Amino acid sequence: DTGVSQDPRHKITKRGQNVTFRCDPISEHNRLYWYRQTLGQGPEFLTYFQNEAQLEKSRLLSDRFSAERPKGSFSTLEIQRTEQGDSAMYLCASSSGQGAYREQYFGPGTRLTVT
Amino acid sequence: AQSVTQLGSHVSVSEGALVLLRCNYSSSVPPYLFWYVQYPNQGLQLLLKYTTGATLVKGINGFEAEFKKSETSFHLTKPSAHMSDAAEYFCAVSDLRGSTNAGKSTFGDGTTLTVKP
Repeated sequence: DTGVSQDPRHKITKRGQNVTFRCDPISEHNRLYWYRQTLGQGPEFLTYFQNEAQLEKSRLLSDRFSAERPKGSFSTLEIQRTEQGDSAMYLCASSSGQGAYREQYFGPGTRLTVT
Repeated sequence: AQSVTQLGSHVSVSEGALVLLRCNYSSSVPPYLFWYVQYPNQGLQLLLKYTTGATLVKGINGFEAEFKKSETSFHLTKPSAHMSDAAEYFCAVSDLRGSTNAGKSTFGDGTTLTVKP
């Protein structure tokens, strides 16, 4: 068990550019979550997948954001036309099975800075 | 909608003193509750969770929390603080149980714990 990994760990981009982040969950975890965390706040839910199906998207996820999990393994989160307000830590988590009582295992996050 | 309130964004204690981090939640149904710890430049790590059964839950590193339904609270405690406990702590409540779409968590804004020597 190598844990949840995220790539890159840090990303600096200019406003208007597109960025893509990758998350590799713990193998055989069927649920994968994306959260956004800004300074002084807790993680905010963005979206989640069960296997390859995207089951829920937060209203925080504007049309500029898209997430995929094509084969039910790794996931990507793309932000198009980045804005300064997108600067945050983007966290990925995974869990096994179904049910709200399941523990989520978090990756180290990708810190995005939009200049 | 569910929500979590963590009272006190910063808590400072002396090494060896009692740690008490407060968490109150709102939920329309009995919740699942979690405490996570986050060290600098690391992801969140689960300390403990309440699902059903015993209301006093023991976790890792000597932490425990008690679910009090009447007070809608899930405060985190540790009898004796250690320097290595300095970190940010997040309380979280999970989505409605029984729904196949359940699972996402709602987090509080966190409490930064400082431990003085």
